Amino acid sequence: DAGVIQSPRHEVTEMGQEVTLRCKPISGHNSLFWYRQTMMRGLELLIYFNNNVPIDDSGMPEDRFSAKMPNASFSTLKIQPSEPRDSAVYFCASSTGLQYGYTFGSGTRLTVV
Amino acid sequence: QQPVQSPQAVILREGEDAVINCSSSKALYSVHWYRQKHGEAPVFLMILLKGGEQKGHEKISASFNEKKQQSSLYLTASQLSYSGTYFCGANQNFVFGPGTRLSVLP
Repeated sequence: DAGVIQSPRHEVTEMGQEVTLRCKPISGHNSLFWYRQTMMRGLELLIYFNNNVPIDDSGMPEDRFSAKMPNASFSTLKIQPSEPRDSAVYFCASSTGLQYGYTFGSGTRLTVV
Repeated sequence: QQPVQSPQAVILREGEDAVINCSSSKALYSVHWYRQKHGEAPVFLMILLKGGEQKGHEKISASFNEKKQQSSLYLTASQLSYSGTYFCGANQNFVFGPGTRLSVLP
């Protein structure tokens, strides 16, 4: 199994530009999570999908952030327009059930200049 | 509400033991533990689903006291490979504690 696959690994963009982060969960996992990690705020849950349906998006910072999961094997997190304070490592994680723990992807390190 | 972890950081010599604590002001129904090495993703260690449960992973074990809303992670005879940041997570709302940085020195 290739694990949770995220792309790109690194993204450097200018303030105001649109950024799209991608995630392919492990096949058969029906839960998908997007987290953001910074030194100041630690690991923050942004959004949680179950069976491709967004269940909890209360962690999405503001309207500039949006996430979709059009099918069981793909999810995107979009930031438009991006700001320097969005710089962080964004992790996608998937799970086959809450009793089994999460498998994290390698993360996307986003730098907005 | 984010779980609270203590200590924030700990430095050990190889072979020493450590305990990392996780507590919540709200009810904890289940707890999971992860280790993250620098520049890498968090890696799942174990999950405790009910009060009184104890589990082990190599020489790392954990306990969960549901009534006290607490969980503890025990690292026995620590190895250099145990260095990293340990996170506890509250499974019911998918939030993680701030992490405990563990450094094991030779």
